[in-house]
Amino acid sequence: QQQVKQSPQSLIVQKGGISIINCAYENTAFDYFPWYQQFPGKGPALLIAIRPDVSEKKEGRFTISFNKSAKQFSLHIMDSQPGDSATYFCAASMSNSGAGSYQLTFGKGTKLSVIP
Amino acid sequence: GAVVSQHPSWVICKSGTSVKIECRSLDFQATTMFWYRQFPKQSLMLMATSNEGSKATYEQGVEKDKFLINHASLTLSTLTVTSAHPEDSSFYICSARRGEGKNQGNQPQHFGDGTRLSIL
Repeated sequence: QQQVKQSPQSLIVQKGGISIINCAYENTAFDYFPWYQQFPGKGPALLIAIRPDVSEKKEGRFTISFNKSAKQFSLHIMDSQPGDSATYFCAASMSNSGAGSYQLTFGKGTKLSVIP
Repeated sequence: GAVVSQHPSWVICKSGTSVKIECRSLDFQATTMFWYRQFPKQSLMLMATSNEGSKATYEQGVEKDKFLINHASLTLSTLTVTSAHPEDSSFYICSARRGEGKNQGNQPQHFGDGTRLSIL
C-alpha cells in the first residue's frame, strides 16, 4: 500500500517557468512533510518542509502548498533553472511515539528537467 | 548545516565478501539513524531504523542476518552486508536525525551521499 502518491513521474519545464509537483497522502497521523532533491549518484538533500498547521511555506524560489482537508501538498519551483534538474521526492512522517514514528514514507519521485 | 558522511562512496567486490558501510554525523549527535536502499530510478526503501545503544528495527522483508546494523555511538552507525551476492548490488543511503525527547519530531533527516555497492 503506497501511503504517499507523487505525480507526475517526470516533468519538463522551460527555463524561467514554474515547476509543480504534487503529492497526496492517506495516513492522517502524518504531521511532517518534507521535500528532498536528489542529483544522480548523490543522497537526497532536504529542500523545504511543512507542518499541517500552515497552508503555505516559501523559501526563496521554492514553495510548499498544503491542503489538510484534501490530504495533498505540492512543491512549486518558481523561475525554474537548468540547475534545478534533479529528482524530487516528497515524504511524510509522524512524530508520535511508537513503532514507525519519525520514519519517512517517500513518494516515488519526479524527475524534473529544465530546458534552456 | 547538518552534515552526514557516508563511506565508502563506491565499492566493488566479489560474491561472498562482506562489506561494511559507515555513516557518520559530523556536526551533531544522531540518536536515530536510518538505512535505505535505492534501485535505479526508484524511490528510497527503508531497510532499518537504528537507535544508539539498542538493536536496530528492521522493515518487513529485510534479512537481519544479512544486513547487520550497529549504532555504537551518537555519531556512527554501520551497515554490514554479509556474504554479499549480485542481487545485493544497489545504492545504499543512510540518514541521521538529531535530538531527542519531545522535540524529536521537529528534526529533519539529513542524508549521506550514498554507497554504490556492486557485487561481481
